[in-house]
Amino acid sequence: EVQLVESGGGLVQPGRSLKLSCLASGFTFSNYGMNWIRQAPGKGLEWVASISSSSSYIYYADTVKGRFTISRDNAKNTLYLQMTSLRSEDTALYYCARHAYGGWFAYWGQGTLVTVSS
Amino acid sequence: DIQMTQSPASLSASLGETVTIECRASEDIYNGLAWYQQKPGKSPQLLIYNANSLHTGVPSRFSGSGSGTQYSLKINSLQSEDVASYFCQQYYNYPYTFGAGTKLELK
Repeated sequence: EVQLVESGGGLVQPGRSLKLSCLASGFTFSNYGMNWIRQAPGKGLEWVASISSSSSYIYYADTVKGRFTISRDNAKNTLYLQMTSLRSEDTALYYCARHAYGGWFAYWGQGTLVTVSS
Repeated sequence: DIQMTQSPASLSASLGETVTIECRASEDIYNGLAWYQQKPGKSPQLLIYNANSLHTGVPSRFSGSGSGTQYSLKINSLQSEDVASYFCQQYYNYPYTFGAGTKLELK
C-alpha cells in the first residue's frame, strides 16, 4: 500500500524558515516523480514544486521560486521542502503527492499544516 | 501559465441525479487533465486522468470527457458519499494549475 507521511509543519514567524519532510513507503520511491501541493485554509489547491525521480528536473511555482527548495533522498525514501523567507500567504496545509506515469497526482499524503504568523 | 476556469463554483443536486462539472483551459491542453475529489477534512483523491481514464477503484458512475480546452466530469446516479469538492488540474505544461473547485451538496 502506498503511504506518504508528511511532517515538519508548525507555527513560524514571518521571514523565518521551515523544512518539511515526506516519508514514502509501499512503492519504489526512486522510480517516481514527487510533488508538493498546498491548500490555504478554506481555499483551493495550489501546486508548489515537482522533482523528477533522479532529481534531474525540478520545477517551482512562481509564488515560491527563489524561496523554497524541493529535494529528495532516494536512499531514505524521503522528499523534502525547504522553505525560507516565509510569508503569511504561505500559510497552508502542505501535501506531498506522487506522480503516476504522467503529470497527475495518483497518491497524496494527509498533509502537514504550516502557519506563518507573528 | 495555463488558467483553468471551473464551473459551477457550487452545485446542489438530489440523490440519483446526474451532475456535470466543467473545466475550461486558457489554451489547448491535449487531454492533459485530471479530476480530484476532496471530502471535508480529507486529502484529495484522484478520480480521472488523461481526461477520460478512470483511476483504479473509482466507481464507474464517474466519467470524464472533453478535448482541446473544454473538459467535463459527470457523476451518474449521485450517491450521498459523493458530497465533496471537486477540482480539475492540467498537467500539459508547468506550472501545473488547478481549477478553483466545485462544492457539491445534496438538495
